[in-house]
Amino acid sequence: AQSVTQLDSQVPVFEEAPVELRCNYSSSVSVYLFWYVQYPNQGLQLLLKYLSGSTLVKGINGFEAEFNKSQTSFHLRKPSVHISDTAEYFCAVSLSGTYKYIFGTGTRLKVLA
Amino acid sequence: DTGVSQDPRHKITKRGQNVTFRCDPISEHNRLYWYRQTLGQGPEFLTYFQNEAQLEKSRLLSDRFSAERPKGSFSTLEIQRTEQGDSAMYLCASSSGLVYNEQFFGPGTRLTVL
Repeated sequence: AQSVTQLDSQVPVFEEAPVELRCNYSSSVSVYLFWYVQYPNQGLQLLLKYLSGSTLVKGINGFEAEFNKSQTSFHLRKPSVHISDTAEYFCAVSLSGTYKYIFGTGTRLKVLA
Repeated sequence: DTGVSQDPRHKITKRGQNVTFRCDPISEHNRLYWYRQTLGQGPEFLTYFQNEAQLEKSRLLSDRFSAERPKGSFSTLEIQRTEQGDSAMYLCASSSGLVYNEQFFGPGTRLTVL
C-alpha cells in the first residue's frame, strides 16, 4: 500500500538557520509529490510540487525540495528560516492514474528568535 | 478567482444531531474533494467528485456520511447522528482536469461534537 512518512513530528530551529523537513514515500507506481503549509486554523497552501523533469524544485517563500527516486524521498529545505515560517508542513503524494492525495502526518516547524 | 470557500467555518453540535457542510470550489474546476483532518494528523481522503459524479469513496466514509455535488458546482457533506469521533476539521479541495491534479484547499470547517 502507498504511504507517506514524515519522521519528524516537530522541528525547532533558530531564526536565520537552515532547515530540512524529511519526507519519504512508498509507491510502486509513478507519483506526483507536493509540499503544503498549514497555518493555525487555516487550510493548506501549496509550497511546491514535483511532477517530472528536474529533481530540484523551487517553491514559494524561499523553499525548495529535491526528488530522489532511488531513496523515495522528497525532502523540503530552506537556507534561512524566519519567524513567520512557523507552521505545520505536510508532504503529499498523488499516484499516477488516481486523483486523491495521500498525506504524511505533518511536521511542526517552530522557528525560535 | 476567490478560491475555495467553505461554510460554516466552525460548527458545534451535540451528539446525535445531523450537520451539513458546504463547499464552493474554484469556478472552473471540475474535480472536488473532501478530506478529514484530526488533531495531530494529516488530512485523510474521504471522497471526490468529477463534475456531479461521485467517483471514489474512502472506507472512512461510513453510512452516516453522505456527499453530493448537484449540477457539478458546490458540494455538501452531511453527517447524520454525529458521534464524538466525528470531531475534526473537514477540508474541501478542488482541481482542474489537468494531468498533475494540483489541488487547491479551502479554509476548512471545524466540527466539534459534544
